[in-house]
Amino acid sequence: DGGITQSPKYLFRKEGQNVTLSCEQNLNHDAMYWYRQDPGQGLRLIYYSQIVNDFQKGDIAEGYSVSREKKESFPLTVTSAQKNPTAFYLCASSSRDRDKQYFGPGTRLTVT
Amino acid sequence: AQKITQTQPGMFVQEKEAVTLDCTYDTSDQSYGLFWYKQPSSGEMIFLIYQGSYDEQNATEGRYSLNFQKARKSANLVISASQLGDSAMYFCAMREGDDKIIFGKGTRLHILP
Repeated sequence: DGGITQSPKYLFRKEGQNVTLSCEQNLNHDAMYWYRQDPGQGLRLIYYSQIVNDFQKGDIAEGYSVSREKKESFPLTVTSAQKNPTAFYLCASSSRDRDKQYFGPGTRLTVT
Repeated sequence: AQKITQTQPGMFVQEKEAVTLDCTYDTSDQSYGLFWYKQPSSGEMIFLIYQGSYDEQNATEGRYSLNFQKARKSANLVISASQLGDSAMYFCAMREGDDKIIFGKGTRLHILP
């Protein structure tokens, strides 16, 4: 079945460590997105990529980095520079005709 | 300024009644798209409906319809015959010309038995 996978579902890290969140899709979508969601809040765009080897900053890119070496993969690294990294992270991809956006199940990151 | 505004933080609706969730947007692009998503307590984001800015008819998907009023920059979601399983957070989102998709803060809908 086609879809978006994110791993792991739960992730725990110590403060000061970088951590990479995985996002893979087999929907053949060109565009991919990373969002952050805090409790009781909406989604805020971190980074997005319209095509392989290209990506743009969203509204809250500071302290995060991404790569898009393959169409299927869009990993997000939460660096130690991110002040409040504990959050729910959602990855999404969008179809070529851009009328749908599908989400992965999300990763809950806790940094202590 | 917010690009997507959802003015209702929470709503309580009796089961089987219709419900309208408000969404207004702000863009200077001529080509854009509007989405609605449902997020149950599990956290997954479920795509509900899409409206393109050039679509002349309001989008419908089963019990969901989007009341698109372009001049007012309004894209309200209407759920007919609400069910207990409709209790969730609902997010309105907009895609602008550069493929950036941004979300509103959401409305928490409670369906009462």
